[in-house]
Amino acid sequence: GAVVSQHPSWVICKSGTSVKIECRSLDFQATTMFWYRQFPKQSLMLMATSNEGSKATYEQGVEKDKFLINHASLTLSTLTVTSAHPEDSSFYICSASIGQVETQYFGPGTRLLVL
Amino acid sequence: LAKTTQPISMDSYEGQEVNITCSHNNIATNDYITWYQQFPSQGPRFIIQGYKTKVTNEVASLFIPADRKSSTLSLPRVSLSDTAVYYCLVGGAGSYQLTFGKGTKLSVIP
Repeated sequence: GAVVSQHPSWVICKSGTSVKIECRSLDFQATTMFWYRQFPKQSLMLMATSNEGSKATYEQGVEKDKFLINHASLTLSTLTVTSAHPEDSSFYICSASIGQVETQYFGPGTRLLVL
Repeated sequence: LAKTTQPISMDSYEGQEVNITCSHNNIATNDYITWYQQFPSQGPRFIIQGYKTKVTNEVASLFIPADRKSSTLSLPRVSLSDTAVYYCLVGGAGSYQLTFGKGTKLSVIP
């Protein structure tokens, strides 16, 4: 149980284009979904927290107009990197929380490379 | 949010028991302690979660002393496939925004 998927698993795009990443909780309805970014040899950094049907809460320093989050249902959240640039290249990981303690379960991650 | 402190790295031989301790001195009453494992280019995988005393599952044990200011993840008889980064996180319902520290890089040596 508590499986989270992400699609795509990797993507290469040209600078200036937009990329959408999907995060789905497969066997449960998530209380909240989270988006993280991880650069090589570094820890995960929380980008934003989202609840179904409401606007996402972004961490300080994360541009909400650049990283658009849509939380359409209790099992689906999407992150769109708009006008991507090479510095946006990173490993993006989502998670979904469940249960009284709201334990987070993570997706497999999406590797983004912007050329 | 309770801050956590873990050793940066640990080495162990195959077959040994490995104990990784995490300090969380300002843990709140409602906070739980959760440990995750991460392999390169993969999302963190849930290992174990506890509130107090001892919790055991099929892969690990978690020891939490009475004051809850620290916790120890115990991995019995590690194998090469246990080489990964292990993260200790603290939080509770309603305030479970996870702040990842640097984690502990465990290297298992044949």
